[in-house]
Amino acid sequence: EPEVTQTPSHQVTQMGQEVILRCVPISNHLYFYWYRQILGQKVEFLVSFYNNEISEKSEIFDDQFSVERPDGSNFTLKIRSTKLEDSAMYFCASRTDQETQYFGPGTRLLVL
Amino acid sequence: AQSVTQLDSQVPVFEEAPVELRCNYSSSVSVYLFWYVQYPNQGLQLLLKYLSGSTLVESINGFEAEFNKSQTSFHLRKPSVHISDTAEYFCAVAGGTSYGKLTFGQGTILTVHP
Repeated sequence: EPEVTQTPSHQVTQMGQEVILRCVPISNHLYFYWYRQILGQKVEFLVSFYNNEISEKSEIFDDQFSVERPDGSNFTLKIRSTKLEDSAMYFCASRTDQETQYFGPGTRLLVL
Repeated sequence: AQSVTQLDSQVPVFEEAPVELRCNYSSSVSVYLFWYVQYPNQGLQLLLKYLSGSTLVESINGFEAEFNKSQTSFHLRKPSVHISDTAEYFCAVAGGTSYGKLTFGQGTILTVHP
């Protein structure tokens, strides 16, 4: 069964450094998402991406964040200058034109 | 704007007992409703969903949920739980935009004791 994959599974970085989180959505999917889950808190929507552009973003998704689908298979989330409060589990999700989103296993980001 | 409230942060039960995890939502538009499960150190897995049609939906591992529009609820139930059901369960809602972002509840940790 096809699945969403994410790399790396864990990432440790220093405050102020740039990180890129990578996702490979399911191949025939059209809509792509990033969510995050800070430890002990609920899963929060960051951004949705469709037709090669951002379709919706949350207040969390400020100028430090960007997304890209560089080659038709990968979907990346870049954090330009990480802060301590960016430490979280980041989930990628994708879907077809049907409503169900399928999630990847997540990348645990720790900012020191 | 939509919101989801899961009324119980933790639910401990004994094996083979029934369980209900409560979920209420608010939305000004029609919604789609989901339950996701997160096992320890794993990602989110879709458990079941309500998109339209029958208000009672079932999963392959014995869970069911009923969409109640008048009470704006989508409670998750299982008549007899197993140790392996120990996990965190998230209720989520989508609707109102064609891009379908999910709004999640706070999660309910179900712990099944032998």
